[in-house]
Amino acid sequence: GAGVSQSPRYKVAKRGQDVALRCDPISGHVSLFWYQQALGQGPEFLTYFQNEAQLDKSGLPSDRFFAERPEGSVSTLKIQRTQQEDSAVYLCASSLERELFFGEGSRLTVL
Amino acid sequence: GDSVTQMEGPVTLSEEACLTINCTYTATGYPSLFWYVQYPGEGLQLLLKATKADDKGSNKGFEATYRKETTSFHLEKGSVQVSDSAVYFCALTGNQFYFGTGTSLTVIP
Repeated sequence: GAGVSQSPRYKVAKRGQDVALRCDPISGHVSLFWYQQALGQGPEFLTYFQNEAQLDKSGLPSDRFFAERPEGSVSTLKIQRTQQEDSAVYLCASSLERELFFGEGSRLTVL
Repeated sequence: GDSVTQMEGPVTLSEEACLTINCTYTATGYPSLFWYVQYPGEGLQLLLKATKADDKGSNKGFEATYRKETTSFHLEKGSVQVSDSAVYFCALTGNQFYFGTGTSLTVIP
């Protein structure tokens, strides 16, 4: 597609449930980033891929968070045993020549 | 480490007023600087960028100049419109992309 596509746009989970958020980057973009954006805050870095290699996962807040990009295209961010503090918008961005192109985000609400 | 500090909001202006949103940065090396905008209900999109000192980025009437001596990249517009109401994020690329906390702008008719 023409832009970065994320799904689902909205997800409501009960505390303790596992969730998976999908990102389909712009075709040909090597770099892919995940960010977490809490209400009223700027995007906070979670993790970064170059092709299928996860080069930086220093922003993942706990071992409940896991991301993968097995074929160097679509990426999935998985959150296990969700907690209320995980409620946020999760943004995916792909990059070409140091410019980030964002998807519309997946809004996760944990009850 | 690398970071961005931007003016806190919210900012409310009347239509046709002048806008300045301050942004300063801390970085090693020579980062590229960006302003991203997030309209209500939409994702972040690039507004303008500058890749080296003294470069001026401009788009949609907005401008920002990369000032190495003051480590700043302030966003300016001479006459804002209602359609400019959005959240504006200053960002830089060093080893990573770093974002400020965002400044909410509301323009009233």
